[in-house]
Amino acid sequence: KNQVEQSPQSLIILEGKNCTLQCNYTVSPFSNLRWYKQDTGRGPVSLTIMTFSENTKSNGRYTATLDADTKQSSLHITASQLSDSASYICVVSRNDYKLSFGAGTTVTVRA
Amino acid sequence: NAGVTQTPKFRVLKTGQSMTLLCAQDMNHEYMYWYRQDPGMGLRLIHYSVGEGTTAKGEVPDGYNVSRLKKQNFLLGLESAAPSQTSVYFCASSLDRLKTQYFGPGTRLLVL
Repeated sequence: KNQVEQSPQSLIILEGKNCTLQCNYTVSPFSNLRWYKQDTGRGPVSLTIMTFSENTKSNGRYTATLDADTKQSSLHITASQLSDSASYICVVSRNDYKLSFGAGTTVTVRA
Repeated sequence: NAGVTQTPKFRVLKTGQSMTLLCAQDMNHEYMYWYRQDPGMGLRLIHYSVGEGTTAKGEVPDGYNVSRLKKQNFLLGLESAAPSQTSVYFCASSLDRLKTQYFGPGTRLLVL
């Protein structure tokens, strides 16, 4: 059973609009949570990393939040651009450094 | 600084054939990893290495072997390819297990 569930599976938004992606996890004991961006045909690229004590982290127009109590994270994209079209992957690390990957959310930004 | 590179980019194999995927990194990273990515599933760890000359099994190691003879290279071998090994393979490296993993561009493998 996948310990990292992402929703929605895919979404389409208009350029300039905002969107929020969700990540729920059951991984325990928790160490950190990362969001990666994967462009089509490319490898994932790290966007943010948050430890237990951090509840928000920004990287340009990307803002990640973490609620370690409810084991939920979100990735908010502000003022979307065509280049934001990609798959966004949530990755949760345990204390033993084992990583669990979500299946990803595919975002399509249309002009 | 090329980061993480993978060769080949694409390969078609017949069932039973063997091949080796090469991963190279120029960041002097100790840790290297091989993942496979299948539709609708998260990346799954095949094997990893914590340093030159060492390898360890990941989540889905069956049917694969690896070698890390040089720090900068991590090889993934398929001895007898099966259609279930059709996938996209990603190599990654990191300074240590706490640090961010840097991924290569992937190798798309089709086993007929």
